[in-house]
Amino acid sequence: DAKTTQPNSMESNEEEPVHLPCNHSTISGTDYIHWYRQLPSQGPEYVIHGLTSNVNNRMASLAIAEDRKSSTLILHRATLRDAAVYYCILRGSGGSNYKLTFGKGTLLTVNP
Amino acid sequence: DTAVSQTPKYLVTQMGNDKSIKCEQNLGHDTMYWYKQDSKKFLKIMFSYNNKELIINETVPNRFSPKSPDKAHLNLHINSLELGDSAVYFCASSQLGDRTDTQYFGPGTRLTVL
Repeated sequence: DAKTTQPNSMESNEEEPVHLPCNHSTISGTDYIHWYRQLPSQGPEYVIHGLTSNVNNRMASLAIAEDRKSSTLILHRATLRDAAVYYCILRGSGGSNYKLTFGKGTLLTVNP
Repeated sequence: DTAVSQTPKYLVTQMGNDKSIKCEQNLGHDTMYWYKQDSKKFLKIMFSYNNKELIINETVPNRFSPKSPDKAHLNLHINSLELGDSAVYFCASSQLGDRTDTQYFGPGTRLTVL
């Protein structure tokens, strides 16, 4: 599986936008980029995914670089409830794509 | 209504005992998973069942045996528990797709082996 690199931690202030980066320089043409997050003492939850084009949903936006070697998860207005570990995960084709391969993720702290 | 539920939420037991964790999903999904999150917070896949058939079996000691009586349930039985088995175990489910399916996770079962 292609690997991802994320900063260990980031900090933000409440109601400000947050840009969480992810590098995936060895991504293949068919790999999807997924983001999950894990709030304290909870199971991971899906945030968003994309292939080539930028994507928006009610939780966040995903900006994918033109060469697809990096992507950025954007939280438009961070709230205290967004404090979590955010995971950037690549999913390729074939049987290995059934599982989610979690890295260390980015611990997002949101200050009031 | 809880989409993916696990019981028990907490499990404290002695080394050498046998224990089971149960998982149920009411989402109508065809695939279920068990993940383990260790003390360093690394999350790793253990098993996956699709329509009651095993499709993922990572390098897990054979003391761990998953059982899927039907598509909505995936239980995890652990024999001869060891200290290193202490972790949080998460169940998840999805409608299996090609790299795009969303996995829904349960709240986790914190297992402590003394």
